[in-house]
Amino acid sequence: GENVEQHPSTLSVQEGDSAVIKCTYSDSASNYFPWYKQELGKRPQLIIDIRSNVGEKKDQRIAVTLNKTAKHFSLHITETQPEDSAVYFCAASHLSGNTPLVFGKGTRLSVIA
Amino acid sequence: EPEVTQTPSHQVTQMGQEVILRCVPISNHLYFYWYRQILGQKVEFLVSFYNNEISEKSEIFDDQFSVERPDGSNFTLKIRSTKLEDSAMYFCASESLYEQYFGPGTRLTVT
Repeated sequence: GENVEQHPSTLSVQEGDSAVIKCTYSDSASNYFPWYKQELGKRPQLIIDIRSNVGEKKDQRIAVTLNKTAKHFSLHITETQPEDSAVYFCAASHLSGNTPLVFGKGTRLSVIA
Repeated sequence: EPEVTQTPSHQVTQMGQEVILRCVPISNHLYFYWYRQILGQKVEFLVSFYNNEISEKSEIFDDQFSVERPDGSNFTLKIRSTKLEDSAMYFCASESLYEQYFGPGTRLTVT
């Protein structure tokens, strides 16, 4: 089955700097890669996703890149703000509906003001 | 914007007792899931559900677990005889166009 590895487990950045979180996956059939943000005690919230027909997707300060050949994908947050502090999870799945997400172990991002 | 809702937010139970966790998925979604998250760990898949039957289940989802959609709106997870290791946050999710939206979770504490 699919296995998703995520690095780093913790990341501290100064406010205004960029943050990058990286994930690798094992199943070459996976073609859907969402990212979730989870604030303390709250639900995971979908913040951005990428499908395997594109290499990059951007939404304001966040962007995701995907390298299908190397089977890795990354989340980039620019101009970080204190409210970006949270745990971020990457996941992998298939675009076939009713397919469970396989999550990475999460990255705790701390943005220091 | 519609959201997935879950009740209760926190459930404390004694080992061996049955618990039922309830979820109301987003109304026009067709696929439903239960996940769990042990404190400080990653989110793990338990079971998926479509068209009133289980589509897929993980190794965690053993005979002690069951799911049901008793009416058109609720989606429930039952644990028949809870164990200490069942203590976790349980999230329900519903899916539309491959995007899964999570509920706020039920924190289950087994003592």
